[in-house]
Amino acid sequence: EVQLVESGGGLVQPGGSLRLSCAASGFTFSSYEMNWVRQAPGKGLEWVSYISSSGSTKYYAGSVRGRFTISRDNAKNALYLQMNSLRVEDTAVYYCARYGREADFDSWGQGTLVTVSS
Amino acid sequence: QTVVTQEPSFSVSPGGTVTLTCGLSSGSVSTSYYPSWYQQTPGQAPRTLIYSTNTRSSGVPNRFSGSILGNKAALTITGAQADDESDYYCVLYMGSGNVFFGGGTKLTVL
Repeated sequence: EVQLVESGGGLVQPGGSLRLSCAASGFTFSSYEMNWVRQAPGKGLEWVSYISSSGSTKYYAGSVRGRFTISRDNAKNALYLQMNSLRVEDTAVYYCARYGREADFDSWGQGTLVTVSS
Repeated sequence: QTVVTQEPSFSVSPGGTVTLTCGLSSGSVSTSYYPSWYQQTPGQAPRTLIYSTNTRSSGVPNRFSGSILGNKAALTITGAQADDESDYYCVLYMGSGNVFFGGGTKLTVL
């Protein structure tokens, strides 16, 4: 069974940093592209970032480009999101999502809440 | 700027049929955008329903179907049930690093 478990969320002040992790199991992690998707309280879903299976290709939404960095460790079956210069508007539940073969998000974690507030 | 449009809300009677749509503020949705659909209930992670326009994800009941209707992607629920009451999101893939969620449709079954 595919499992994705996010961790690392919490309360941080504006301008601060946080590193999210996603532990993957139940599939060959190194064969799959991965993403981060977020959802602000009471709002819709927003794609945040993508990383290729090898980690060599990365993409970011305009709202986070230059502040967030996606990475992965295939030996540890782990996905990461380093978030710097956090803003109040970055407050959201952050989901780790596996990319399927047809440009779809075919598996999701339960999410981790990031709150940016003074 | 790419904006993916969805109806903010929709209502359907139990046993009825409803079609939710996913469009573009400028242009038409085609199969080359690999439209996919996700269901989300409050406090839960999204669940994948449909990918690549019309392929049901594993375990999804066949009352859910996807298609292209005119210039939009569409999700049709035939024989709606009470537990279909959820938020529904579409996603369009428009090339590397260009993935766009619609704003979501809140479906009420009553």
